[in-house]
Amino acid sequence: GEDVEQSLFLSVREGDSSVINCTYTDSSSTYLYWYKQEPGAGLQLLTYIFSNMDMKQDQRLTVLLNKKDKHLSLRIADTQTGDSAIYFCAETRFYGGSYIPTFGRGTSLIVHP
Amino acid sequence: NAGVTQTPKFRVLKTGQSMTLLCAQDMNHEYMYWYRQDPGMGLRLIHYSVGEGTTAKGEVPDGYNVSRLKKQNFLLGLESAAPSQTSVYFCASRMGSGELFFGEGSRLTVL
Repeated sequence: GEDVEQSLFLSVREGDSSVINCTYTDSSSTYLYWYKQEPGAGLQLLTYIFSNMDMKQDQRLTVLLNKKDKHLSLRIADTQTGDSAIYFCAETRFYGGSYIPTFGRGTSLIVHP
Repeated sequence: NAGVTQTPKFRVLKTGQSMTLLCAQDMNHEYMYWYRQDPGMGLRLIHYSVGEGTTAKGEVPDGYNVSRLKKQNFLLGLESAAPSQTSVYFCASRMGSGELFFGEGSRLTVL
């Protein structure tokens, strides 16, 4: 099947904004998610957006959703070294009779001092 | 409040050996999932369960079996381990369509 697509790497300077992009596949996804994984740890929910929204802002995080193009983006303002992690985009895909969280390959964000 | 707990956290097996990974959640969640994470591959769904006594195959189920005899536990078994099963395994749970809660992972090496 089609994949949830993300670029694999992003490198930014501390204090700059980071933008991580994602293309998803299932137009019926009710929720779209961004998860963060720090080294050696599991994934933690960073933020999510309902499919009937275009934008969601939460402190330094801004999520933009373009349903027509099935495009999701995560913007981190004033990126800090502590933001270095892998960021996963996820959709909720209908599979085997249930809605299953389906993840992209993850974008490794590297923040340089 | 432990959330999702996976045991063991690390394991080394020889080819052909068997083992079971245990996932336990204390949030009364209906849905539980087993994913594997490999470099550059993201998370791929192995098996999942939508409630006690139910299991279903995910994207990459071959070589694995699961059981959900109790609502709080979801077991992942490898009957005859292969080097291709070297990976980090994550269990996750959630109530409905909301947030997915993850365990910290189980790192398995098959020699």
